[in-house]
Amino acid sequence: EAQVTQNPRYLITVTGKKLTVTCSQNMNHEYMSWYRQDPGLGLRQIYYSMNVEVTDKGDVPEGYKVSRKEKRNFPLILESPSPNQTSLYFCASSLGLAGGHYEQYFGPGTRLTVT
Amino acid sequence: GESVGLHLPTLSVQEGDNSIINCAYSNSASDYFIWYKQESGKGPQFIIDIRSNMDKRQGQRVTVLLNKTVKHLSLQIAATQPGDSAVYFCAETLAGGADGLTFGKGTHLIIQP
Repeated sequence: EAQVTQNPRYLITVTGKKLTVTCSQNMNHEYMSWYRQDPGLGLRQIYYSMNVEVTDKGDVPEGYKVSRKEKRNFPLILESPSPNQTSLYFCASSLGLAGGHYEQYFGPGTRLTVT
Repeated sequence: GESVGLHLPTLSVQEGDNSIINCAYSNSASDYFIWYKQESGKGPQFIIDIRSNMDKRQGQRVTVLLNKTVKHLSLQIAATQPGDSAVYFCAETLAGGADGLTFGKGTHLIIQP
């Protein structure tokens, strides 16, 4: 089944404790992206990657890191989480931009709470 | 990118009626628009898309209309069913898509029995 998977789905952590949220897609998509979703603010892009070893900042990149060493994986890293990073996080992927394939397919979400 | 907004945070309709969800965008350079549906506890799901060189596109029970003159996008759902209850987001991107998608804040569609 074609899908985007994220782990963990739920995470409660403490301020300053490094964490990684994994994202994997099995559709051989070139483009991958991370969003956070907050009440009243909708979905905001954190980082995106157009291909392996190519990453760029989105609208709200502060406090986050990403890497794209393999095509299928795009982990989101919080080196020192803070309470304002409590949010619902979504990973998404799309076939690629060159062919005009802009529609993105989303994972199930990771609900992160930082205390 | 510039924001994409929706007119109403909540829309309540009777089952069987048609629903119209509206979205206003501010960037006239936007080239591609998508509607997503997000059910409770799930990620957004692609519904339908439209490019800026079109003004109407139809899918199964859904129609997207684009009015570039007033920078307005709408999603029409025919014969609304209980399974249509969700939050609907419009999203836009510039030509080339490199900046990713910019999402509106969403409209919660509530289906009354």
